[in-house]
Amino acid sequence: QKEVEQNSGPLSVPEGAIASLNCTYSDRGSQSFFWYRQYSGKSPELIMFIYSNGDKEDGRFTAQLNKASQYVSLLIRDSQPSDSATYLCAVIPGFSGGYNKLIFGAGTRLAVHP
Amino acid sequence: DAGVTQSPTHLIKTRGQHVTLRCSPISGHKSVSWYQQVLGQGPQFIFQYYEKEERGRGNFPDRFSARQFPNYSSELNVNALLLGDSALYLCASTLGRSYEQYFGPGTRLTVT
Repeated sequence: QKEVEQNSGPLSVPEGAIASLNCTYSDRGSQSFFWYRQYSGKSPELIMFIYSNGDKEDGRFTAQLNKASQYVSLLIRDSQPSDSATYLCAVIPGFSGGYNKLIFGAGTRLAVHP
Repeated sequence: DAGVTQSPTHLIKTRGQHVTLRCSPISGHKSVSWYQQVLGQGPQFIFQYYEKEERGRGNFPDRFSARQFPNYSSELNVNALLLGDSALYLCASTLGRSYEQYFGPGTRLTVT
């Protein structure tokens, strides 16, 4: 079982729709969760982080965390073609030996079509 | 404010050679982490340094080493390059002991 799992996609949504990206993780002790956006040929860009159960909203983005079910999701409202990218879910495991290494999923490719 | 900077942007090396990659963190950030990202996968953790001390090491061979300088910049060294070392090498900086990591533009290493 992979530590962080994501559907590779592509997830195709029409412009203006809600894109829903999901991620599950295996370490029940994980406390910190992140979403990065990565355009082709570029480096990952931090767009959301969430540490507590529930929802966290920032502009068009909402991160949702459910520790009991060990999943974290990212909703993108009013999707735009510029949102087309790979979205990486990352987790800091519960026991990281005193340092904060990120464990990444392989990413979900999102395609927003006009 | 300037973000994380990395140099060089691209690099082509031959098998068996050595490479040094450089990273400068965001001003005020004292922690630097290195990741390797191969095509189609998420980044994989290599090292983390905080206040010039190695805090963590990922599952990479001893050919990989790193250090952090008094100004908090960092170098990643890879010896005896293999074809499989071809990847995007990412540096991320963190403010103190917070959790959010911000990535630089990366160095694209090609080993032929």
